[in-house]
Amino acid sequence: GENVEQHPSTLSVQEGDSAVIKCTYSDSASNYFPWYKQELGKRPQLIIDIRSNVGEKKDQRIAVTLNKTAKHFSLHITETQPEDSAVYFCAPGGGTASKLTFGTGTRLQVTL
Amino acid sequence: GAVVSQHPSRVICKSGTSVKIECRSLDFQATTMFWYRQFPKKSLMLMATSNEGSKATYEQGVEKDKFLINHASLTLSTLTVTSAHPEDSSFYICSAPLAGGWEQFFGPGTRLTVL
Repeated sequence: GENVEQHPSTLSVQEGDSAVIKCTYSDSASNYFPWYKQELGKRPQLIIDIRSNVGEKKDQRIAVTLNKTAKHFSLHITETQPEDSAVYFCAPGGGTASKLTFGTGTRLQVTL
Repeated sequence: GAVVSQHPSRVICKSGTSVKIECRSLDFQATTMFWYRQFPKKSLMLMATSNEGSKATYEQGVEKDKFLINHASLTLSTLTVTSAHPEDSSFYICSAPLAGGWEQFFGPGTRLTVL
């Protein structure tokens, strides 16, 4: 089955700095690459996603880059704010209506 | 946007009892739904894929006789934890995609505590 890892497992940045989280996966058939933000006791919230025919996507302060050859994709958050503090998961999947395999998670702490 | 609900949001039960959790797609039809389990400070682990009108597909290591899944309509999937034990205490979350869609929509989760 798909093996998905994230690095780092914890990340502490000062407000205004950038944060980068990397996700590596094993299944070359994966072609959907979402990132989720989860706050304590809540459901995962999709913050950005990318498909395998695109290398990079940006939405305001958030961007995702994909290297399908190397089988990794990364989440980039710029100008971090305290409300960005949460656990972030990557969850590559096989495409439309396919199951997702969640990564190990990264706890981001944005300090004032 | 597409909305998925779960009921109950919290349940506490005694060891040995069975608990049913409902997952509903409120404004769309879902032929496929997914059930995940999340232990404290851990990632979401896929338990099974629920298929409307047919048997669920379970992930390796998940006991199908313990976690019964029924997807009897295009808007409802149920997960029954049979003979629950304290180690089954967890956060159970369902998700569903739109037909032909890439994004999955998650329910709010059900926190199960088995005493």
